[in-house]
Amino acid sequence: NAGVTQTPKFQVLKTGQSMTLQCAQDMNHEYMSWYRQDPGMGLRLIHYSVGAGITDQGEVPNGYNVSRSTTEDFPLRLLSAAPSQTSVYFCASSYSTGVPGELFFGEGSRLTVL
Amino acid sequence: DAKTTQPNSMESNEEEPVHLPCNHSTISGTDYIHWYRQLPSQGPEYVIHGLTSNVNNRMASLAIAEDRKSSTLILHRATLRDAAVYYCILKETSGSRLTFGEGTQLTVNP
Repeated sequence: NAGVTQTPKFQVLKTGQSMTLQCAQDMNHEYMSWYRQDPGMGLRLIHYSVGAGITDQGEVPNGYNVSRSTTEDFPLRLLSAAPSQTSVYFCASSYSTGVPGELFFGEGSRLTVL
Repeated sequence: DAKTTQPNSMESNEEEPVHLPCNHSTISGTDYIHWYRQLPSQGPEYVIHGLTSNVNNRMASLAIAEDRKSSTLILHRATLRDAAVYYCILKETSGSRLTFGEGTQLTVNP
């Protein structure tokens, strides 16, 4: 079982470059989300989706775009990378938006912006 | 979102029980209490959740106070592999968002 797959695992960007972090799940989950985790801190929600074609902003959405064209995929786009976006990014999914809503996390994508 | 308060760090010895506390004095009647843990260099993983009654699963037990303003995650016999950051999170019944705090860093001594 693949679960939640994130690519790439590591990426180095220069300020101003753009890139897409990929997230795919094979569990037919409705809900998908992106978090970022800065050193020594908890996770902060960037964007989330409750189904194909539906996305919404989390706590820290600025500088990021998302789309959800299929149930399986939820890519996160950085339009113009900034050093403040250096972080570890986690994608998570769950079967439903209600209870219990257990989240399954990917292994993370470590991004460094120079 | 209702907030939770956890100690920054706790220590335990291997093979001993661990009680990880969480205060959530502003919890609403429809909030579920979720616990996740994050092992080093990994994504968080689900541990357990509950609403009002105490809950047990293969990983841990969750004890919820009668007034629901606090809860305790219980690891019955800590192992070295249980060293992680443990997050206590409140989740609305119909909502989809989970808001993570800074959690409790658990150290397990051999």
